[in-house]
Amino acid sequence: AQKITQTQPGMFVQEKEAVTLDCTYDTSDPSYGLFWYKQPSSGEMIFLIYQGSYDQQNATEGRYSLNFQKARKSANLVISASQLGDSAMYFCAINSGTYKYIFGTGTRLKVLA
Amino acid sequence: SAVISQKPSRDICQRGTSLTIQCQVDSQVTMMFWYRQQPGQSLTLIATANQGSEATYESGFVIDKFPISRPNLTFSTLTVSNMSPEDSSIYLCSVEKGTSYNEQFFGPGTRLTVL
Repeated sequence: AQKITQTQPGMFVQEKEAVTLDCTYDTSDPSYGLFWYKQPSSGEMIFLIYQGSYDQQNATEGRYSLNFQKARKSANLVISASQLGDSAMYFCAINSGTYKYIFGTGTRLKVLA
Repeated sequence: SAVISQKPSRDICQRGTSLTIQCQVDSQVTMMFWYRQQPGQSLTLIATANQGSEATYESGFVIDKFPISRPNLTFSTLTVSNMSPEDSSIYLCSVEKGTSYNEQFFGPGTRLTVL
């Protein structure tokens, strides 16, 4: 069985600062993908970044980067230069090549002006 | 990516009634998914809808409560039947676009409140 753990229910960050959102996972599959989604108050789910289990380098996508530590089974999201519009819920998810995503419980990020 | 629309975007319904949620995609997709997100909770997969076959339901979800239709490769509906306040949730549809890592794209969601 797969599992995602997000231990930070809420986080605050000052505008223009960087913030790290934690995600640990558990899976017995050797091949898997890790995803981060952003959910603003409007409710839509916005794909941010992906990391494959065999990827040698950490994924980056604009201001988003993924700190992938395979041995520790962690896939933390780093948001650099935070903006007020980054205030949202952030979900980490895993799948193992099937359609089925397992989502974490989410972290609510609040960016302070 | 995929552009996905959902109707309605939100609704307030009375206990015991049913609501049908529509999901439209701008391109043909094999698999469509329906998720439920209860207030303050994470997303839970309700079922997978493939065109031309019965939907596959996850544990805890049954067809009588959440009937799904998938008449073609760009459209699906989810009905929430005989609603109770516990059905108050955001309902999201998503699709898989066949990228190498099975990325899913989500619709904007339907925010349902049952009184």
